[in-house]
Amino acid sequence: GQQLNQSPQSMFIQEGEDVSMNCTSSSIFNTWLWYKQDPGEGPVLLIALYKAGELTSNGRLTAQFGITRKDSFLNISASIPSDVGIYFCAGQRNTGNQFYFGTGTSLTVIP
Amino acid sequence: NAGVTQTPKFQVLKTGQSMTLQCAQDMNHEYMSWYRQDPGMGLRLIHYSVGAGITDQGEVPNGYNVSRSTTEDFPLRLLSAAPSQTSVYFCASSYRVGGGYTFGSGTRLTVV
Repeated sequence: GQQLNQSPQSMFIQEGEDVSMNCTSSSIFNTWLWYKQDPGEGPVLLIALYKAGELTSNGRLTAQFGITRKDSFLNISASIPSDVGIYFCAGQRNTGNQFYFGTGTSLTVIP
Repeated sequence: NAGVTQTPKFQVLKTGQSMTLQCAQDMNHEYMSWYRQDPGMGLRLIHYSVGAGITDQGEVPNGYNVSRSTTEDFPLRLLSAAPSQTSVYFCASSYRVGGGYTFGSGTRLTVV
């Protein structure tokens, strides 16, 4: 199946620091989504991107749809303890209805 | 609105047993899907449906059946459980293809 590579796999940061993570693919996607998953819960949609080069913000979160359409980036500014969780990217190709998910980036924020 | 409701939250099965994982949404979403989540593997699509009466296979469909008789419900059936099906199962729905999913809170299944 399609593999989306997320990096880093895990991050340990101090409260107040900025965070950057990315997602890359060997295939072109026409939609990128970013989700956050808290322990014991389902993923919750953070940001959706539909156009190459698009930059979209949701509060302290900013995501970008890569120009090559093979990658996407998520930044979190001024991290706080409630940012802790696993962040997943998901991409959809032009054909078919299937979204492919990355393996996740685990974020730990140290107060 | 309840969103996407999954039952049960936890289940232990013996190898060879069958069961149905329930999923219901009250948002009138046409698109529904089932994912399984395993450590280090992310979420992998099992089956999906673009509307009542229409289903299709995802990445890992073997050992699972689905049906979509109504817009609201999308049950996942395990016909003969195997230890390899131990996982956390998520149901998700979307108002349109390409739209962001709303996920249920998951069913944690252990097959012994």
